[in-house]
Amino acid sequence: DGGITQSPKYLFRKEGQNVTLSCEQNLNHDAMYWYRQDPGQGLRLIYYSQIVNDFQKGDIAEGYSVSREKKESFPLTVTSAQKNPTAFYLCASSIAVSSYEQYFGPGTRLTVT
Amino acid sequence: AQTVTQSQPEMSVQEAETVTLSCTYDTSESDYYLFWYKQPPSRQMILVIRQEAYKQQNATENRFSVNFQKAAKSFSLKISDSQLGDAAMYFCAYRSPIQGAQKLVFGQGTRLTINP
Repeated sequence: DGGITQSPKYLFRKEGQNVTLSCEQNLNHDAMYWYRQDPGQGLRLIYYSQIVNDFQKGDIAEGYSVSREKKESFPLTVTSAQKNPTAFYLCASSIAVSSYEQYFGPGTRLTVT
Repeated sequence: AQTVTQSQPEMSVQEAETVTLSCTYDTSESDYYLFWYKQPPSRQMILVIRQEAYKQQNATENRFSVNFQKAAKSFSLKISDSQLGDAAMYFCAYRSPIQGAQKLVFGQGTRLTINP
């Protein structure tokens, strides 16, 4: 089955710790994205990547970092510099960055205390 | 910068009836894409319907249709014959066609409840 996998579904961390969220896709898509969702708000773009070894900041990149060493994988690291890391994180992909249709993974709920 | 506004935080409808969710957006671009996404309790985002701004014909996908009013910058979603499985958060989203602006701009969402 083709799709996007995010793991784990729930993640708990102590304040001050970095944490990495996993995103894997087997759709052979070139472009991948990370969004953040807070209660009562829509999704906001954190980072996106058009091709391997390339990525661009989105609207709220501060306190986050990403890597794109493989086409299938686009992990997101939430660093201790992120002021309000508790949120729901969604990964998405599209055939190309010019494609209008993005496919979403099931998301990871991160709670930092 | 583009903005998307959904003015209805919550809506409810009786099963089998029709409901319309509102969305307005602000842009200076003439060509763009608009989407409605559904987020059920599982929180997976599912594309419901899309509309290209250059197309005058309103998009339709089975029980889902849109009313796209380009001049008014309005993009409402109509769900006909509502079913219990339609209960979800619905998000309106805008995408620019410009290279380098590859992101979806989302509205705040409308929570739709289906009453049996």
